[in-house]
Amino acid sequence: DQQVKQNSPSLSVQEGRISILNCDYTNSMFDYFLWYKKYPAEGPTFLISISSIKDKNEDGRFTVFLNKSAKHLSLHIVPSQPGDSAVYFCAASASSNNNDMRFGAGTRLTVKP
Amino acid sequence: ETGVTQTPRHLVMGMTNKKSLKCEQHLGHNAMYWYKQSAKKPLELMFVYNFKEQTENNSVPSRFSPECPNSSHLFLHLHTLQPEDSALYLCASSQTGRLYEQFFGPGTRLTVL
Repeated sequence: DQQVKQNSPSLSVQEGRISILNCDYTNSMFDYFLWYKKYPAEGPTFLISISSIKDKNEDGRFTVFLNKSAKHLSLHIVPSQPGDSAVYFCAASASSNNNDMRFGAGTRLTVKP
Repeated sequence: ETGVTQTPRHLVMGMTNKKSLKCEQHLGHNAMYWYKQSAKKPLELMFVYNFKEQTENNSVPSRFSPECPNSSHLFLHLHTLQPEDSALYLCASSQTGRLYEQFFGPGTRLTVL
């Protein structure tokens, strides 16, 4: 039962352009969403999050958008840089269960110089 | 050492072996987690410990046995594993109830022959 889905296993963009990574979820109880970034041979690191009371959260080059009615969130990176090349995981949790967080399978982003 | 460390980083074992994975966190957190990441699949939460007490066991087979002697150390004891158990095993820690603010270790890449 995959409650968080990242349907694009990979994405390639040119340096300086916008990267858009997408994530869909099925559980309407989810009210907190996160993006993690993972480099090879390292654990995932927290990147940005959004609460369901918002529809946008921005942190520098990274912006997360949440569309609750569509159960969809996206991560925008602009401008993309070669150092952004990594696997990006979407995750979701419900405040009613602080012991469970569901992850997507990840999208591998490659930013070409 | 800072953050969350895991040893060994790589492990190859036969199906009849017994081995243990170790995780240590230096962040003063009181919750620790084990995740499994199989190829092209989402991270799966396996176990959660809060203040050394196990609070979640997400239907993990008994051939995986966790141990949390104190809030800084977490072990995963392995015995009679199957080849399909080959995966990346990630440890994470956070403050209790703040699952979405967890820090991950680099993982142990496990191969079961």
